[in-house]
Amino acid sequence: EAGVAQSPRYKIIEKRQSVAFWCNPISGHATLYWYQQILGQGPKLLIQFQNNGVVDDSQLPKDRFSAERLKGVDSTLKIQPAKLEDSAVYLCASSLEVTITDTQYFGPGTRLTVL
Amino acid sequence: AQSVAQPEDQVNVAEGNPLTVKCTYSVSGNPYLFWYVQYPNRGLQFLLKYITGDNLVKGSYGFEAEFNKSQTSFHLKKPSALVSDSALYFCAVRDGNNNDMRFGAGTRLTVKP
Repeated sequence: EAGVAQSPRYKIIEKRQSVAFWCNPISGHATLYWYQQILGQGPKLLIQFQNNGVVDDSQLPKDRFSAERLKGVDSTLKIQPAKLEDSAVYLCASSLEVTITDTQYFGPGTRLTVL
Repeated sequence: AQSVAQPEDQVNVAEGNPLTVKCTYSVSGNPYLFWYVQYPNRGLQFLLKYITGDNLVKGSYGFEAEFNKSQTSFHLKKPSALVSDSALYFCAVRDGNNNDMRFGAGTRLTVKP
């Protein structure tokens, strides 16, 4: 079974530029998550989708971050404009169902550096 | 809101010795607890979880964890450490009242030959 795929793996941009990350979840997984992991910290949930609907985006900085999951499969996370403090690893995860006991499976992440 | 504490930033053990990585939690409802491991430049890999039932949970790669409700702890253990177990370990918690899964700051485990 293929795991969660993410691209690109690394991205370096200047502040105020825009950037987008892509995630392809495990086939058949209804729920998709985006996390931000700042160096030295645990992952922090940004947004959760069930199929193509948003379940929780309470911690997403909506003035600069946006995410979509068209057709309930792939997802993109965008930052516009980027700030220095956005430097982090962005992790995508998926789970088969939406229950809170369901295991989340993570992709390799995208490491973003904002200069 | 739920929270997780991993009181040790770093744990060092010798190969072949038992290891313990500590985790304590705080929730308002029933706790659902998870352990993940992260190797360099890779995402988090699921090790095990506690949902309900037996307090001793067995997971991948010989790891196990013990749920202790009175001490609000969920420590990760392994009877005999391997050098290849060296990695960053994260404890996480969700509760029945909140969707968000909260992670601890992580514990770096180093197993020396």
